[in-house]
Amino acid sequence: ETGVTQTPRHLVMGMTNKKSLKCEQHLGHNAMYWYKQSAKKPLELMFVYSLEERVENNSVPSRFSPECPNSSHLFLHLHTLQPEDSALYLCASSQDKGTYEQYFGPGTRLTVT
Amino acid sequence: GENVEQHPSTLSVQEGDSAVIKCTYSDSASNYFPWYKQELGKRPQLIIDIRSNVGEKKDQRIAVTLNKTAKHFSLHITETQPEDSAVYFCAAYSSNTGKLIFGQGTTLQVKP
Repeated sequence: ETGVTQTPRHLVMGMTNKKSLKCEQHLGHNAMYWYKQSAKKPLELMFVYSLEERVENNSVPSRFSPECPNSSHLFLHLHTLQPEDSALYLCASSQDKGTYEQYFGPGTRLTVT
Repeated sequence: GENVEQHPSTLSVQEGDSAVIKCTYSDSASNYFPWYKQELGKRPQLIIDIRSNVGEKKDQRIAVTLNKTAKHFSLHITETQPEDSAVYFCAAYSSNTGKLIFGQGTTLQVKP
């Protein structure tokens, strides 16, 4: 399962730190997504990019900042996070935005201390 | 806003029995309904999907039914096996909003 990769797999950061999550897809897809998965809300869509343009921002706090430099890479920049931001962050990609199968990465397990 | 309700939240069955998971959606413009399976510690993977122009779709032991009038769709797993144990998520895509909304997930346990 190497179609969508994410790094790091685990991350522990303090509330004043700045870190970035990286996602890379090797499937030639045009759309990429960031999801937050926690016990309280299993799969929350955060951001959607289509052809490197952000097309969806689901009321996500500004302490999360996405970046899509090209159709194969997606970043999530994190700063001044809160403990409640601790969760599994999943990246996904699909052929195009819409009614297409989404391929998920393995996720980054984030712990904010 | 858009909402997808999924029931039950947990389901335990004996190996060989059938399992049914039900979802309802609120946006009548929804036209695509995928189901994802997430095994413990692994990524979600698509197992089956259905589009609004079809009422039922089957793939070996898995089937999905869709009732557009009731805004209701279900996943049916027959002859369950221990490897079917996982969390299952339904989702609904709205052509109106362009959003894919996931249900809360169902933890299925198949007892050998």
